Amino acid sequence: DQQVKQNSPSLSVQEGRISILNCDYTNSMFDYFLWYKKYPAEGPTFLISISSIKDKNEDGRFTVFLNKSAKHLSLHIVPSQPGDSAVYFCAASYNFNKFYFGSGTKLNVKP
Amino acid sequence: DTAVSQTPKYLVTQMGNDKSIKCEQNLGHDTMYWYKQDSKKFLKIMFSYNNKELIINETVPNRFSPKSPDKAHLNLHINSLELGDSAVYFCASSQDQGRAFFGQGTRLTVV
Repeated sequence: DQQVKQNSPSLSVQEGRISILNCDYTNSMFDYFLWYKKYPAEGPTFLISISSIKDKNEDGRFTVFLNKSAKHLSLHIVPSQPGDSAVYFCAASYNFNKFYFGSGTKLNVKP
Repeated sequence: DTAVSQTPKYLVTQMGNDKSIKCEQNLGHDTMYWYKQDSKKFLKIMFSYNNKELIINETVPNRFSPKSPDKAHLNLHINSLELGDSAVYFCASSQDQGRAFFGQGTRLTVV
């Protein structure tokens, strides 16, 4: 029973264009959401987060959007760079109790 | 200086053996975790310790036993290894159960 889902296993984008990674969740109690980035043979590294009291958080080229009514969040990367090629995991928690992760989306940014 | 380090990085062992994976964090965090990334790439929490106390214990076979000798260490001991235990195991730590910092992972292969 997966409470966090990333339905696109992979995404390919041209360098300089926008990458949009999507994530859906089922538990309306979730109040904190994160995106992690993972390179091969490394652990996930934190990228950006958003609290449920906000609908947008921006950090440089990375913006996370939260749509609570749709139980959907997305990560926008603009402009995409080849170094962004990695697997991106979405995660959610309530009361920081424990984090539920999606299965990841592999992003390939082509030069 | 690696913030969260786990050893070994790779572990190949026979069914029925007992093995341990070690994890250390030098971030001064209160909470440490063990996650398992299964064949479908989902990252699932197994255990969480806060200040050496077990706070999360998911539905994990009791062949898996975490040990936290101090706040900076959380080791995972697995008895009577089975083929289905093959996976990548990630250690992580966080402060106040916030965003987690992950180790590089241990790829366990049971043959």
